[in-house]
Order: sequence, then structure tokens, then C-alpha cells
Amino acid sequence: GQQLNQSPQSMFIQEGEDVSMNCTSSSIFNTWLWYKQDPGEGPVLLIALYKAGELTSNGRLTAQFGITRKDSFLNISASIPSDVGIYFCAVTQGGSEKLVFGKGTKLTVNP
Amino acid sequence: GAVVSQHPSRVICKSGTSVKIECRSLDFQATTMFWYRQFPKQSLMLMATSNEGSKATYEQGVEKDKFLINHASLTLSTLTVTSAHPEDSSFYICSASPADYGYTFGSGTRLTVV
Repeated sequence: GQQLNQSPQSMFIQEGEDVSMNCTSSSIFNTWLWYKQDPGEGPVLLIALYKAGELTSNGRLTAQFGITRKDSFLNISASIPSDVGIYFCAVTQGGSEKLVFGKGTKLTVNP
Repeated sequence: GAVVSQHPSRVICKSGTSVKIECRSLDFQATTMFWYRQFPKQSLMLMATSNEGSKATYEQGVEKDKFLINHASLTLSTLTVTSAHPEDSSFYICSASPADYGYTFGSGTRLTVV
């Protein structure tokens, strides 16, 4: 099946710093999604990208759908303690609604 | 809008017993729902696709007789872990997709089999 390579695996940053993470694949996708998961909770959708080259913001979060349709990045600006959590990229599999997830990036923000 | 409710949030059961987990779409109808499993410090893995009024579709390697799925209405899907064993202990999460909104997840169920 399709594999998403998400990096970095973990990040330790100071409050106020910017963060960047990305996902790549050898396959082309039509949808890229970014989720955040807090401990003991289900993932929450942050940003959805549906068009190659699309750049979308949600508050301090910005995500882009790569022009090759094989990658996406998520940036968080001016991080705050509540940004702590695990961030997952996800894509839809084939023509179905099934989601395939990256392995996640664990973000730790030191006050 | 687009809320998915999952119940219970935590359950502890004895080996050999069965456990039922409910997933409800509260403010939309979902002909399709999805069940995922997540082990500690790992990503979500799709187990099965639940289809309203028909049989669920299971991913390769997932035992359909072990993980029974019923999608009897447009707002409710249930996952029953039958004859649970400690290795079934995991975090189970459902999701559904209201039109044009993306994929909304429930808050998950932590199953511990002792």
C-alpha cells in the first residue's frame, strides 16, 4: 500500500519558535490532510488541501500541497505550549474515502 | 457541526469477554464510517470500512470474526471485539465524513483486556 514518509519524528522547541514538518510519498495524491492528536483523544483536522500548489492557512498554521502532488508541509508560527501534541499528515487512498496516515511528528514546546 | 461521538471512552474487560464500542454521527448522516486502531506511539491503522445496511469491508490482516462491525442506521456504527485477549488492548477510533467537510474523528476508546 501507499506509504507516507513524515519527518521529523519528533521536535523539541522553545515557545515562540516556528515549526516545520513535512510528508512525502512516491505516489501522487489528490488530497492532503493535516491532523493534530492530543493524548487519549482522536485526531482533529487542522487543514485540508485539495489542489496541487494550494497554500492554506488556519491561524498560525500554514500548509501547502506540493506541486508534484507527492508532498505537503505544515508550518506553525510562534509556537505556544498548547501546540504540544502529535501531528499527522494523511491522504485519501485511491478513489475511496479511506485515509492513510503518516507516522506522526511529536511536538514538544518548552515554555 | 460535524461531530462524531464515541462511547465508551475507556473500558477494561476480562480475557474471553466481548466489548462493544459505539460510534455516532451527531449532526449528520453517514452511510460510511471507518474504524481505526492505534497502538502506543504509533500511527492510526485502518481496520475496516463500515457501510450502512451492508457488510463491512475489512483491511487485509484484520479478522472479521474477531472485530464485528454493524452499521444499522445512518448515524450509528458499532465495533464489537469478540473473545478479547490482552493483545487486543489498544486505542480504537472511528471516523465519518460529512459531505464537503473532511474526515471527523471520534474521541477514541481505550480498551484494556486483563
